[in-house]
Amino acid sequence: NAGVTQTPKFQVLKTGQSMTLQCAQDMNHNSMYWYRQDPGMGLRLIYYSASEGTTDKGEVPNGYNVSRLNKREFSLRLESAAPSQTSVYFCASSESGDRYNEQFFGPGTRLTVL
Amino acid sequence: GDSVTQMEGPVTLSEEAFLTINCTYTATGYPSLFWYVQYPGEGLQLLLKATKADDKGSNKGFEATYRKETTSFHLEKGSVQVSDSAVYFCALYNTGGFKTIFGAGTRLFVKA
Repeated sequence: NAGVTQTPKFQVLKTGQSMTLQCAQDMNHNSMYWYRQDPGMGLRLIYYSASEGTTDKGEVPNGYNVSRLNKREFSLRLESAAPSQTSVYFCASSESGDRYNEQFFGPGTRLTVL
Repeated sequence: GDSVTQMEGPVTLSEEAFLTINCTYTATGYPSLFWYVQYPGEGLQLLLKATKADDKGSNKGFEATYRKETTSFHLEKGSVQVSDSAVYFCALYNTGGFKTIFGAGTRLFVKA
């Protein structure tokens, strides 16, 4: 039982390049999330998927797109990377609709845009 | 909208000292409250939770009590260890919203 896995762990891009961050969970969770973590700002929600087939914008969606490929996988795409997107990106998953919504996080992807 | 405010860090303590990290929240209704911990180089993991007023969450010697009258959920531990060095995030979740609101995080350093 791997939990939430993310690839890659590290990535360096040049301004204008594109890339996709991959996330998968094996806990049969309905909801999945993408966050970015910047110093002093905690976690900010980029996009989320409440259930398979749905996606919604979070707090900071500009410059990103997502795909909920199936129940297990939720990818985040940067179409034209900018230095402001240098950050650590975390994927998370949770059961939806319950009182707790405990989230399980992946190990993160550290992205640098030059 | 809902929000979480926690004390700024870093907090530096000696081993076996008492720890308090303050957290207050603003929310409509009756949210669930959480503390998550992030060890260096890792993702966040749930430390403890409380779902209604006066509930006390506890885990690994850490405790926090849901205080609705003061809208607070302060994290405490009686005797910290070097291995407790990490970043601690207070968070809230309102049922049906699908979104968890996180505080900015408080970094804790524990010296031997």
